[in-house]
Amino acid sequence: NAGVTQTPKFQVLKTGQSMTLQCAQDMNHEYMSWYRQDPGMGLRLIHYSVGAGITDQGEVPNGYNVSRSTTEDFPLRLLSAAPSQTSVYFCASRRFTEAFFGQGTRLTVV
Amino acid sequence: GEDVEQSLFLSVREGDSSVINCTYTDSSSTYLYWYKQEPGAGLQLLTYIFSNMDMKQDQRLTVLLNKKDKHLSLRIADTQTGDSAIYFCAELWAGKLIFGTGTRLQVFP
Repeated sequence: NAGVTQTPKFQVLKTGQSMTLQCAQDMNHEYMSWYRQDPGMGLRLIHYSVGAGITDQGEVPNGYNVSRSTTEDFPLRLLSAAPSQTSVYFCASRRFTEAFFGQGTRLTVV
Repeated sequence: GEDVEQSLFLSVREGDSSVINCTYTDSSSTYLYWYKQEPGAGLQLLTYIFSNMDMKQDQRLTVLLNKKDKHLSLRIADTQTGDSAIYFCAELWAGKLIFGTGTRLQVFP
């Protein structure tokens, strides 16, 4: 049982480049979400999804896009990376009460 | 929007009890959580409490919920060096999991 799998674990981008952070879960959870973690600011919600085909914005959505074509996958896209997007990104999935987190992607934008 | 607040740091001696505090703003939260994050790792669920409960105990962990003051606390008995980590309070609100800033617990010998 893999749980929540995020790839890649580390990434360095140049300003203006695009990339997709992958997130997959094998627990058939309806809810999936993306967070970014910055020092002193905790985890802030970027986007979330309550099921396949349904997504919504969280607290800090600007600069990020998501889609949810299947229950298992919830990729996060950065269309034009900026240094302000340097952070650690976590994907989470939840069925009812308990959320499970991936191990995180450390992204640096130079 | 919903806000969850925690103090940033706590330092305790090994063997003492640690108490980490959290306040939240929306009384309609259904579940409140405590997560632990060790360096370089993801978040691990420690425990959670339903909003109609006042207390929950799980081995060395005790969660207290004061709904009137919207205050949540996590007590760790007999704190060990392995408990050094960042502890996040979170609430389930409108289907979203909202996190506090995290409290870094440092345990010294």
